[in-house]
Formats: sequence, C-alpha cells, structure tokens
Amino acid sequence: EPEVTQTPSHQVTQMGQEVILRCVPISNHLYFYWYRQILGQKVEFLVSFYNNEISEKSEIFDDQFSVERPDGSNFTLKIRSTKLEDSAMYFCASSGEGSNQPQHFGDGTRLSIL
Amino acid sequence: QKEVEQNSGPLSVPEGAIASLNCTYSDRGSQSFFWYRQYSGKSPELIMSIYSNGDKEDGRFTAQLNKASQYVSLLIRDSQPSDSATYLCATTGGGNKLTFGTGTQLKVEL
Repeated sequence: EPEVTQTPSHQVTQMGQEVILRCVPISNHLYFYWYRQILGQKVEFLVSFYNNEISEKSEIFDDQFSVERPDGSNFTLKIRSTKLEDSAMYFCASSGEGSNQPQHFGDGTRLSIL
Repeated sequence: QKEVEQNSGPLSVPEGAIASLNCTYSDRGSQSFFWYRQYSGKSPELIMSIYSNGDKEDGRFTAQLNKASQYVSLLIRDSQPSDSATYLCATTGGGNKLTFGTGTQLKVEL
C-alpha cells in the first residue's frame, strides 16, 4: 500500500539553527500538509499546499516557516531560527483530489531543539 | 474558535466488549469527519471517514454521524488488546484543514 515517507525520523538541532524536514507524499496525491504535535497535546494544522502554492495556513505558520516542493516527489518544511518551543513531532500528510478525501500521515519527524 | 471535543479517558473495556468513543464539534460548517488511531509515539492512522448522517460500518468499526447534534462516534466491536491506543476525532470545514480533538485513550483489558 502506498505510504507517505518522512526523513529524518529524529532531528536534534541547536536553538537558532535552521532545519529542513522532508516528505515524499503518496505519488498520485495532489494535496500536501504539515501538522505538528507537541508532546502530550493535540495534532495541530500548520499548512496545506496545492498546485505549487500554499492553500491555507494556521497562525502558527508565521515567517519562521516555509514550505517548498523542490521537485516532483519531495515536499519540505523549513524552520528558520529554531526556538525551544519548536520541539515537537512534525507530520506530513497527503490526500487525493477533492476536499473530502482522507489524509494519510507519514511516520513523522521528532524535532528536538537544544 | 472551531473546536473538536473528546473525553480524554482513559476508557477501559474488557477484551471482547464494545468500545464506544464520542466526539462533538462546534463548527456547523464541518463537512467531513474522520477517526484516526494513534499508538504512543506514532503517527495518526486513518480508521474511518464519514460524510453523511447515519452509520457507516467497516469490519469491527462503526462510525456514526449526527450533524443536527454535531456529534460523531466510533464503535469498536469485539475489542482486542491491540486496539489499545488513542483515538483521534478530526473534521474539515470548507477547506482541507483537519481540526483534531485531543483524543480518547482506550485500554482494552485481558
């Protein structure tokens, strides 16, 4: 069964550094998403991406964050000037055509900011 | 603020029993409803989707939706220890953004 893959599984970074989290969505999916989950809290939406542009973003997704689809398969989340509070699990998800399609999640990247 | 509310639990049921998980949502514009299962330290795994009022069955799982009451539920029949996990309710409104509840922890006891 097709799946969303994310790399790395765990990223440890010094505060103030930049990180790039990578995702390969399911190949025939058109919508891509990033969510995060701080330990012990709910899963929170960050951003959705369709047709090579951001379709929706949350208040969390400020100028510190950016997304990119650098080629036909990868989807990346860049976090600049990381802060301690950016420590969380970051999940990539993808879905097919249409607004009602279920989103399938990758295994996540655990980001630890020291 | 659009909210999805779930009882955090834990909900404990004996093996073989029916587990009933409930969820309410505040946004009357919500169109799609999903149940995800999340094992500790893992990612959300899609179990069920439901879009219209009534029941939808898939194996041991039944999702129920009542839009008038803004209520979604998930029934798990013949509960197994492997069903022990946190169950997340999620909805979408006009767009594709998923709004999640905090999840209900289910424990299936031998």
